[in-house]
Amino acid sequence: EAGVAQSPRYKIIEKRQSVAFWCNPISGHATLYWYQQILGQGPKLLIQFQNNGVVDDSQLPKDRFSAERLKGVDSTLKIQPAKLEDSAVYLCASSLVGRGHYEQYFGPGTRLTVT
Amino acid sequence: KNEVEQSPQNLTAQEGEFITINCSYSVGISALHWLQQHPGGGIVSLFMLSSGKKKHGRLIATINIQEKHSSLHITASHPRDSAVYICAVGGANFGNEKLTFGTGTRLTIIP
Repeated sequence: EAGVAQSPRYKIIEKRQSVAFWCNPISGHATLYWYQQILGQGPKLLIQFQNNGVVDDSQLPKDRFSAERLKGVDSTLKIQPAKLEDSAVYLCASSLVGRGHYEQYFGPGTRLTVT
Repeated sequence: KNEVEQSPQNLTAQEGEFITINCSYSVGISALHWLQQHPGGGIVSLFMLSSGKKKHGRLIATINIQEKHSSLHITASHPRDSAVYICAVGGANFGNEKLTFGTGTRLTIIP
């Protein structure tokens, strides 16, 4: 079974530039998450989708971050314009939907450096 | 105070030693996850548990719901176990998969 795919793996941009990350979840996983992990900290949820609907985006800085999952499969996360404090690893994860608790499967992450 | 606290933050041990990493949480949960993160960022789920104990190979995870505490043990540790181990708790709302993460324990096993 293929895992969660993310691209690019690494990205270096200057502040005020724009950047986009892509995630393809495990086939059949209806729930998709984007996390931000700043160096030395645990991941922080940015946004959670169930199919193509947003379940939770309470910690997404909406003035500069946006995310979409138009067909309920793959997703993109965009930052425009980037700030120095956006330097982090951006993790995508997916899980099955339904009652009970399901494991979240994480992608390899995208390491963003803003200079 | 963070909702999920891990200890120690850093741990260095010799190959073969028995390793224990602790996690305490202050919120009601319905599931606790142990995750492993290698350099480069990718995260692998090791365990998901809501009671008792689980074992997979040399890894053992236990949880005490009453004390709001979990431990991850590694027996016969090996340099390839060197990674950051993260504890995460799932919300108490049934079916809510939102996780709250600890800051991780950086484990280094010296040959």
